[in-house]
Amino acid sequence: QSALTQPASVSGSPGQSITISCTGTSSDVGAYNYVSWYQQHPGKAPKFMIYDVTKRPSGVSDRFSGSKSGNTASLTISGLQAEDEGDYYCCSYTTSGTYVFGTGTKVTVL
Amino acid sequence: EVQLVESGGGLVQPGGSLRLSCAASGFTFSNFPMHWVRQAPEKGLEFVSSITPNGDHTFYATSVKGRFIISRDNTKNTLYLQMGSLRAEDMAVYYCARDHTTGWSFDSWGQGALVTVSS
Repeated sequence: QSALTQPASVSGSPGQSITISCTGTSSDVGAYNYVSWYQQHPGKAPKFMIYDVTKRPSGVSDRFSGSKSGNTASLTISGLQAEDEGDYYCCSYTTSGTYVFGTGTKVTVL
Repeated sequence: EVQLVESGGGLVQPGGSLRLSCAASGFTFSNFPMHWVRQAPEKGLEFVSSITPNGDHTFYATSVKGRFIISRDNTKNTLYLQMGSLRAEDMAVYYCARDHTTGWSFDSWGQGALVTVSS
């Protein structure tokens, strides 16, 4: 199972919006609405940010939103803040009953 | 509060074995599928294995199938990962993670256990 494809880095100024793409195949992203997103700061465990493509867990800011079209999912961060800096990973359930993560995107707030 | 605490990491020689444990608390462990996810140094997250709530079904990444075994003891609220025939490329921080209540994602993570494979 090949990793989902994400851009290596995305940057934006405070207050701006950025979007991270996550491209898979018809065997993962395109097969189900089971895409999730995770934020990770250096040396820390990942944090659960989005599930089932668009849903936000309790406690996650509504500045984070998810979407999907075909085999590509996206995470949008609006009103970018310094604390949003970090690495972001998408993940999809697959038709094999396993999961596949994205390659990861480093978000920089300029 | 959900807590997941991994243990058992350490240094092992190539070809060796190691067993990781993940002690769970703060929720009804026996109701949730559980997972192992790893992260090699300076690399991204990689799914390793999953197990259903009663342990009757297990799933593995192709990279570890036949070498790793996931199991659980619901009486001890503990998840395990038995790792064998270890290779340099297995060196990583191994996280245990709980399945989200509606499934198909990982809503709680442990702090990770470092496995170093080196002679």
